[in-house]
Order: sequence, then C-alpha cells, then structure tokens
Amino acid sequence: DAMVIQNPRYQVTQFGKPVTLSCSQTLNHNVMYWYQQKSSQAPKLLFHYYDKDFNNEADTPDNFQSRRPNTSFCFLDIRSPGLGDAAMYLCATSREQGPSWEQYFGPGTRLTVT
Amino acid sequence: GNSVTQMEGPVTLSEEAFLTINCTYTATGYPSLFWYVQYPGEGLQLLLKATKADDKGSNKGFEATYRKETTSFHLEKGSVQVSDSAVYFCASNQAGTALIFGKGTTLSVSS
Repeated sequence: DAMVIQNPRYQVTQFGKPVTLSCSQTLNHNVMYWYQQKSSQAPKLLFHYYDKDFNNEADTPDNFQSRRPNTSFCFLDIRSPGLGDAAMYLCATSREQGPSWEQYFGPGTRLTVT
Repeated sequence: GNSVTQMEGPVTLSEEAFLTINCTYTATGYPSLFWYVQYPGEGLQLLLKATKADDKGSNKGFEATYRKETTSFHLEKGSVQVSDSAVYFCASNQAGTALIFGKGTTLSVSS
C-alpha cells in the first residue's frame, strides 16, 4: 500500500543534543510537510518542500531545519532540542500544492526531551 | 487571518446516538474544508473534504456540507459506533500550503 512512513515512532533525546526524524513516502507526491503537534493542540506547520523548493513558515524557530535529498525522503533536524520542543511531529504529503489537494499524514514521531 | 473554530469537547455519546461536531471558519475567500480524524497514538487520517460552497463530503457514514452563508462545515453521523472514538479536527486550506486546524474535538462512544 502506498503510504507515508515515519521513523522512529518514539524518540528520546537529551536537552541540547541534536536529533533527526525521518519521513518517507511511496505516493510519489511532489509536496512534503512537517507539522508540530503539542499535547492536546492542533498541528502547526513548520515548513514544506515543493519538489526541492524549501518553504519555511515565518514563525518556525531557527532551531528546526529540514532536508529533502530525493522525492521519497524528508528529514527534520532539531539542532539543539529544548524541553519546549517535546511534541508529536507529523509528516504529510500532497500530490500538488493547492487548497483542494488533500494532505496524507504519517503516524507521527513522538519526541521526548529529557 | 484565516482561522477555524470547532466545538469544545469532550463529546460523550452512547452507541447508535446521533453526532454533530460544529465547525466554523473565517477566510478572506473560499477555502477548501476538511475533516481529519486522529485515533490514539496515530497520525491524522482524512475523513472527508469539500472544495466549494454547497459541496457535501461523505465517508464511512460521516457527512459535512460546505455552507458559505454560515461559514460552517459541521460534521454529522447518524449512528456512532464505539470504534468512532477519536479526536476530530476540522481544517481549512486557502493559500494552498498550510492546513489551518481547529483545536480538535474528542469523541468518546460507549456501548
């Protein structure tokens, strides 16, 4: 089945220790997104790629970076995680960029910062 | 700016009861509207969508109609099941990238 896969599902890191979360997709979609969802809150977009073009949301902290080496993979790098970065990180994809194109979400990676 | 407001939860129902979860949006134009469902420990799954006024989205017994005059997209189901217990998010997309989500409504269905 075509899908969005996130690894690991659970990640524990120490305060200030860099961490990378990964996302892969078999849908061959052009657009990949990273959302942050804190406990009992709605997901919030951090950034997205349209093909290789990176688009950062204005209020995304500099601590968060992303890489998309090819169509299938996208990575979220947190350079120096703080306690406030503990959250569920959701990867999503859509075939094209535009309001009517639905986004398909992966199962998420729950990040704990100790 | 654009926003989505949905009813506060939790919503607690008995099996086979009728479900309504209210959702209203604000936008400068006519966004596409979505309902996503999130089961415990999982990511979001698209439940249904509507891309223009008067469109009705439907899936798995759930329905929602895009009402331009009331800027609403209320989710309904005639007979809920225990397996419908989850968090439901209403979302809009106008600019074509970021989904704007409501805060989510937790539904708990008991047998």
